[in-house]
Amino acid sequence: AQSVTQPDIHITVSEGASLELRCNYSYGATPYLFWYVQSPGQGLQLLLKYFSGDTLVQGIKGFEAEFKRSQSSFNLRKPSVHWSDAAEYFCAVGDWGSRLTFGEGTQLTVNP
Amino acid sequence: GAVVSQHPSRVICKSGTSVKIECRSLDFQATTMFWYRQFPKKSLMLMATSNEGSKATYEQGVEKDKFLINHASLTLSTLTVTSAHPEDSSFYICSADPGTSDSYNEQFFGPGTRLTVL
Repeated sequence: AQSVTQPDIHITVSEGASLELRCNYSYGATPYLFWYVQSPGQGLQLLLKYFSGDTLVQGIKGFEAEFKRSQSSFNLRKPSVHWSDAAEYFCAVGDWGSRLTFGEGTQLTVNP
Repeated sequence: GAVVSQHPSRVICKSGTSVKIECRSLDFQATTMFWYRQFPKKSLMLMATSNEGSKATYEQGVEKDKFLINHASLTLSTLTVTSAHPEDSSFYICSADPGTSDSYNEQFFGPGTRLTVL
């Protein structure tokens, strides 16, 4: 069965600093990988996804992620964090039938 | 586009009563909808997958008689928590899959429903 690990439960960065959120997955075939962001009172919003092709994918709000098969990782990055980026971030792997398995999430705090 | 709504956003009920949560895709048709449960500071746990016009597929460990799912139309799925107890208190989230080729495996999520059972 597939699984997703987000090693960092909580990360704090200063506004303007760079950000990297880690995600490792376990999946038997070529994975479909996603990053979602969850803000209070709002549904999960898709930041980006990887299905195939270029291993560096660009998403919304200035986020990008790189798929590294050899490391089973799909880390999320942003060069300069904004205060509005404070939220919970979830990495997920999808399988047949669109079933998603989520990681435990990383809570991002942004200091002014 | 691709908006999913849930109703109600919050509900408080007494132990032993049943609660129905609605999930609607507002601007697209969803061949498949999913129901998740999220505990505080925890990940989303898939409870069941529902396809319009057929019985829901429940994940292992989820009681199908307690969590009744009905996907009556391509824009509406309902989750009924029957004979709710305090341990059923949680945040329930639905998502909808348009099933189109250009959005393969992509789900659009509702804002969630906070259920508190007293």
